[in-house]
Amino acid sequence: AQSVTQLDSQVPVFEEAPVELRCNYSSSVSVYLFWYVQYPNQGLQLLLKYLSGSTLVKGINGFEAEFNKSQTSFHLRKPSVHISDTAEYFCAVSDLGGFKTIFGAGTRLFVKA
Amino acid sequence: EPEVTQTPSHQVTQMGQEVILRCVPISNHLYFYWYRQILGQKVEFLVSFYNNEISEKSEIFDDQFSVERPDGSNFTLKIRSTKLEDSAMYFCASSGQGAREQYFGPGTRLTVT
Repeated sequence: AQSVTQLDSQVPVFEEAPVELRCNYSSSVSVYLFWYVQYPNQGLQLLLKYLSGSTLVKGINGFEAEFNKSQTSFHLRKPSVHISDTAEYFCAVSDLGGFKTIFGAGTRLFVKA
Repeated sequence: EPEVTQTPSHQVTQMGQEVILRCVPISNHLYFYWYRQILGQKVEFLVSFYNNEISEKSEIFDDQFSVERPDGSNFTLKIRSTKLEDSAMYFCASSGQGAREQYFGPGTRLTVT
């Protein structure tokens, strides 16, 4: 079974500052890793994914994440945030069979002017 | 760009009533899923469906829940006798060959009174 831990429930940050949202996972098998963003009262939008290959993956809206197998982490980063990045961010994992995705509890990113 | 659609966007029902939530997955996708998100909580996996049968389900998905693909385009979630605790946002998702990343619909907000 897989599990996902998002270490910060809320991250306040000033506009144009860098941000890192932390995610650790647990699994006995190889996994795919994802970050989703949820804007208020909206559905889930895929930000980026790690399936295989390069451990540094780039996504939409200037976000990137690095897969670290030894530390079982998949932290999300952005070098300079905007007010519009204010949202809930979910880290997620699925096994290679892909029949279900397990989500973390979410991190609320709040960007202040 | 193809997308997953869900209807209705908001459903209000009385406790004990049956509800059917509808989803139209992306047309060439083969794997279908339902998730729910209780207000302020994380997204939880309910069930996955492939080749006209359930491939995996969570402990949440008890006998009150059922899924069906009644035709070539729709995918439905039925709750036979709703309870107050079924109030949540329900997300449908689909994925293609290889069942890697899942594409989520905008959700149906179910309110049980």
